[in-house]
Amino acid sequence: NAGVTQTPKFRVLKTGQSMTLLCAQDMNHEYMYWYRQDPGMGLRLIHYSVGEGTTAKGEVPDGYNVSRLKKQNFLLGLESAAPSQTSVYFCASSETGLKYNEQFFGPGTRLTVL
Amino acid sequence: AQSVAQPEDQVNVAEGNPLTVKCTYSVSGNPYLFWYVQYPNRGLQFLLKYITGDNLVKGSYGFEAEFNKSQTSFHLKKPSALVSDSALYFCAVRDVRGSTLGRLYFGRGTQLTVWP
Repeated sequence: NAGVTQTPKFRVLKTGQSMTLLCAQDMNHEYMYWYRQDPGMGLRLIHYSVGEGTTAKGEVPDGYNVSRLKKQNFLLGLESAAPSQTSVYFCASSETGLKYNEQFFGPGTRLTVL
Repeated sequence: AQSVAQPEDQVNVAEGNPLTVKCTYSVSGNPYLFWYVQYPNRGLQFLLKYITGDNLVKGSYGFEAEFNKSQTSFHLKKPSALVSDSALYFCAVRDVRGSTLGRLYFGRGTQLTVWP
């Protein structure tokens, strides 16, 4: 049982390049989330999904797209990377959105955009 | 709107002393509160949660948190700190409303340093 995994762990992009971050969970969770973590700002929600085939915007969705084609996977895409997207990205999942369900986090992807 | 505040960016304590990491919240309706810990270069790990019931919640690694409704606080505590407790701690509140169901709103984090 690997929990939540993220690929890649590190990436350096040039401005304007595109990339996809992959999140996978093996806990059969319905809900999945993408956050970004910046110093002094905590975690901010980018997009989330309440089930296979669904996505919704979070607090900071601009410049990102997501897809949830399979229940266990949640992809985060950057179509044209900008330096402002330099951050650490975390994926999380939870069994449902109910009040008592905690979220389980992946190890993170450190992205640098030059 | 749902939000949490962690008023201290850093907390420093000596090993063996009690520690407190503060969190206050603002919610519409009942609060569902969580504490997470992040060790360097790692993801967040769940520590404990308050949903309902006893105001003192016990969690992992000897941590506990005290829920105080009148003060809208959910402070994280440990009776005797260890050097290995040094990490970044996040308080979070769960959104249980309609279309935003399930979202967590995080505080900015508090860096705890325990020195030998």
